[in-house]
Amino acid sequence: GAVVSQHPSWVICKSGTSVKIECRSLDFQATTMFWYRQFPKQSLMLMATSNEGSKATYEQGVEKDKFLINHASLTLSTLTVTSAHPEDSSFYICSARDPVGTDTQYFGPGTRLTVL
Amino acid sequence: TQLLEQSPQFLSIQEGENLTVYCNSSSVFSSLQWYRQEPGEGPVLLVTVVTGGEVKKLKRLTFQFGDARKDSSLHITAAQPGDTGLYLCAENFGNEKLTFGTGTRLTIIP
Repeated sequence: GAVVSQHPSWVICKSGTSVKIECRSLDFQATTMFWYRQFPKQSLMLMATSNEGSKATYEQGVEKDKFLINHASLTLSTLTVTSAHPEDSSFYICSARDPVGTDTQYFGPGTRLTVL
Repeated sequence: TQLLEQSPQFLSIQEGENLTVYCNSSSVFSSLQWYRQEPGEGPVLLVTVVTGGEVKKLKRLTFQFGDARKDSSLHITAAQPGDTGLYLCAENFGNEKLTFGTGTRLTIIP
């Protein structure tokens, strides 16, 4: 099946710094990618929809200036958490939509962010 | 915004037992998906159901979509430790976005 990778798999940073997370579709071109956040023992919450070559669409309550999304190519989307705070600590998961065939979303393995 | 409630929230049973988990919506689903997520990993798609009353089987897992398309169930027969994980239902609203349910955390005790 289709593979989506994320890098890094985990990251620890100091409060006030910025962290960039990459999401790559390895064997298909994804015109649309999605970013989710999952707090411990909770479900996934959609943060934003990332469209190649255009601005991301953010869900209500998600600060676009804090969570910068760039979808520069058909296989790469990045999420940058700016001026990170401890409350941003979470599990960030991306998914990529394969528009061919069953139009399925494939999820990455996630990135664990810990802000000290 | 559609609310997807899953029950039970937590379930811990012995290996070999059967179990059923549920996903209920406040309105009609367009289509529904079930995922399993293991700790530290992304969710993996198990099945998609579209038609009211539809039943799909995946080995020991049986997925049912309610006739009115407002609820769904996942039944596992003879549970095994490898079934342990977070089970999530999700709706695709047709605009590509997925809304996930609250999740059922399943633990199978050897």
